[in-house]
Amino acid sequence: EAGVTQFPSHSVIEKGQTVTLRCDPISGHDNLYWYRRVMGKEIKFLLHFVKESKQDESGMPNNRFLAERTGGTYSTLKVQPAELEDSGVYFCASSQDRRNYGYTFGSGTRLTVV
Amino acid sequence: AQSVTQLDSQVPVFEEAPVELRCNYSSSVSVYLFWYVQYPNQGLQLLLKYLSGSTLVKSINGFEAEFNKSQTSFHLRKPSVHISDTAEYFCAVSGGTSYDKVIFGPGTSLSVIP
Repeated sequence: EAGVTQFPSHSVIEKGQTVTLRCDPISGHDNLYWYRRVMGKEIKFLLHFVKESKQDESGMPNNRFLAERTGGTYSTLKVQPAELEDSGVYFCASSQDRRNYGYTFGSGTRLTVV
Repeated sequence: AQSVTQLDSQVPVFEEAPVELRCNYSSSVSVYLFWYVQYPNQGLQLLLKYLSGSTLVKSINGFEAEFNKSQTSFHLRKPSVHISDTAEYFCAVSGGTSYDKVIFGPGTSLSVIP
């Protein structure tokens, strides 16, 4: 089966611009998670979708970040307007099980805001 | 609240030497424990996990970790490392359901020296 796919793999944008990251989970996985790692710091949870609904968005840093999951399939994470501190690697993960047996992560999107 | 501590941010080790990467966690509930690995320019991969049962868990590439409830530890070990083990290793903890966030430690960068 195909894994979790994220694109773009890299994005360099100027401060104030908008960027949209996309994640395609493994087919049939109801749970989709976004995490990010700001340079040199911990991998932090952003939010969790169950199908198309936001189950937990407690990790979203501010209202410049907007996540959607259309029809319970792929998800997008939009940053508008981007700030320098948004630079980092954004990871997406998915799982099917109600029990947490470990996520399958995508390869991440490296976002650089200049 | 759950948290994970990885005291060693960087661990250099010579090829074929043994290595231990330390992980301690705190949690008020039963936990699942994970080690993830990120090889250079790649995404996060699940290396091994402890869910229940035997406290010693092993990966296919020779790593093992032991869950020690009394010491709240889940240290990762390998008796003989290879150059290809050079990567960043993340210890993580979660509750038992898909609604429980996975909490990551800050990571340990393992560098294997020829």
